Parts: sequence; C-alpha cells; structure tokens
Amino acid sequence: DAGVIQSPRHEVTEMGQEVTLRCKPISGHDYLFWYRQTMMRGLELLIYFNNNVPIDDSGMPEDRFSAKMPNASFSTLKIQPSEPRDSAVYFCASSSGQSVYTFGSGTRLTVV
Amino acid sequence: AQSVSQHNHHVILSEAASLELGCNYSYGGTVNLFWYVQYPGQHLQLLLKYFSGDPLVKGIKGFEAEFIKSKFSFNLRKPSVQWSDTAEYFCAVLGGYNKLIFGAGTRLAVHP
Repeated sequence: DAGVIQSPRHEVTEMGQEVTLRCKPISGHDYLFWYRQTMMRGLELLIYFNNNVPIDDSGMPEDRFSAKMPNASFSTLKIQPSEPRDSAVYFCASSSGQSVYTFGSGTRLTVV
Repeated sequence: AQSVSQHNHHVILSEAASLELGCNYSYGGTVNLFWYVQYPGQHLQLLLKYFSGDPLVKGIKGFEAEFIKSKFSFNLRKPSVQWSDTAEYFCAVLGGYNKLIFGAGTRLAVHP
C-alpha cells in the first residue's frame, strides 16, 4: 500500500486566495483525520470523518475552513479566503477502527 | 476531559546518554497509548503502542515504554541515544470515537 497520500507537498499562496489540500487515505480505512501543526500550537485536530461522515469539526478554527469527504478514497480541506496565520503544516491521517493511525507526509502551506 | 501531558518540551543529550521522556494521560475508558516520532521535516511515524497485556512495550529503534496504570503514565525510554534520534516525540492516547489525543511534544536534540 502506498500509505496516506497528500497533495500538494508545498503550497505558497497570497492572502485572500482559496487553498485546497487533498488527501487519499489507505484503502479500507474508515476513519480520516485532518491535523494542523504549528510551532505555537503543536498538533491540532481540525476535523475527522468516519465512513465519509464528519464526526467532530470542533477543531476547525473558523468558517473559512471547510472539509469534505465525497467518497472513501478522497478528502479535501479548503481554506477560503486564506490568511497568513493559516501558514502551517497540514497532516492527514487514516485508521481502521482502533488500529494505528497512519499519517501522510503533510502539506506545508505558506500564505504571504 | 481527555488529555495528555508531556513534561519536557526540550531535551538535550549527548550520544550514548540514557533517555526518558515523561507522559501522563487523563482518560477514563480503556487505555490505548502511543508514542510517535517526527524526524525533522517529516511526518509522524509510530514508535510503539500499548493496547493491553505486558505493560512494558518494546518499539522500533531500541525504544521502549512502560504503562503504569496507577500513575497514569506511559514514559518513553532508550538506554543509549544516537544522533539520529534527534526528533520530536509525541505521546498520545486514543480517546472516544477513535480520536487520537496528542501531547504537546518533546523536542530531543542529541549532540555527537
């Protein structure tokens, strides 16, 4: 298995632009998680899905953030409009039941 | 409330020194505990996990951790660190609804 695949690896965008981050979980995993990592706040859980349904989005910082999982093999995290304080590394992870999480390589987002 | 506390934010050691990173958790349910490692510029990787059974868990690269239920602790140990162990280490507990709750992380720097 190729593991959890995230794209792009790096994204640099201007303030106010829309940013879309993509994630392909491991086949057969029914949980998908989006995390944000910054020096100041560490690892923050933004939202997670079970069987494509959002279970807990309490970590989503603002209405500018939205996430979807249209099918079992794809999820997106969108920021519109983006702001410099959104600069971070965004990780996607997937798991099956109570198995170990597998993390993707992350997307390093820089908003200038 | 579910939480994980890591006592040390930064640890600096010389090669061959022994390592112990503290981790305490707060969770009332069945305890599943993890240590993840993040090497510079990389994603999180599983070091070891505890689900049940022997409270002394051995992981990859010579790491081990001991689950002490009475102390709500899951400290990570390695008898002799190497320069290549320089990384950030995260303790985590699996909370309700399969949600992984991370500690703030401990940055380890190993000097040759």
